Amino acid sequence: GESVGLHLPTLSVQEGDNSIINCAYSNSASDYFIWYKQESGKGPQFIIDIRSNMDKRQGQRVTVLLNKTVKHLSLQIAATQPGDSAVYFCAENIGGNKLVFGAGTILRVKS
Amino acid sequence: DSGVTQTPKHLITATGQRVTLRCSPRSGDLSVYWYQQSLDQGLQFLIQYYNGEERAKGNILERFSAQQFPDLHSELNLSSLELGDSALYFCASNLAGGDTDTQYFGPGTRLTVL
Repeated sequence: GESVGLHLPTLSVQEGDNSIINCAYSNSASDYFIWYKQESGKGPQFIIDIRSNMDKRQGQRVTVLLNKTVKHLSLQIAATQPGDSAVYFCAENIGGNKLVFGAGTILRVKS
Repeated sequence: DSGVTQTPKHLITATGQRVTLRCSPRSGDLSVYWYQQSLDQGLQFLIQYYNGEERAKGNILERFSAQQFPDLHSELNLSSLELGDSALYFCASNLAGGDTDTQYFGPGTRLTVL
């Protein structure tokens, strides 16, 4: 369940298109999941979270989907903008206040 | 801006040395977390403090230690530094340190060990 890596997958999308970033998590007992965005030279920035009693949560231009059956999390970004270019991390809270981060996905937005 | 501050922004030192990284949590937050982000290991949880007490421990080496002071700022001490300790070190904070409390990250300290 630890982040291993680190050849990060890259998703390239055209400005205005929708983006879908996927993440597989490791611990079936995890009950809280978060998506973070990290821009170059900055710390991870909270985007959206979801608890395990939900399968979908929407924010402003972002939607998180949780499939506990296959331990899969996805982040959908609507109308992707150049400012969305960053590395996106999913994180699961495995209990005991410990967050385990995925390796990350690079999102590149083409203008 | 998350409200979490970290100093210094950059630190360059030599192997065998000791450094101290500092973190001030968001106003009102009682819990502080430390993370290491390296190229080969990604973002790894090190340790958590809540209101001055250690609450959770992750992949923290014995050469590393941390503490949280009465004013709630925290310091991460790294000693006997090795080349492999070169990384970004992030501090995060939240109000109560619960499992479902969002952690807000600071800008990080980039440590380079030569």
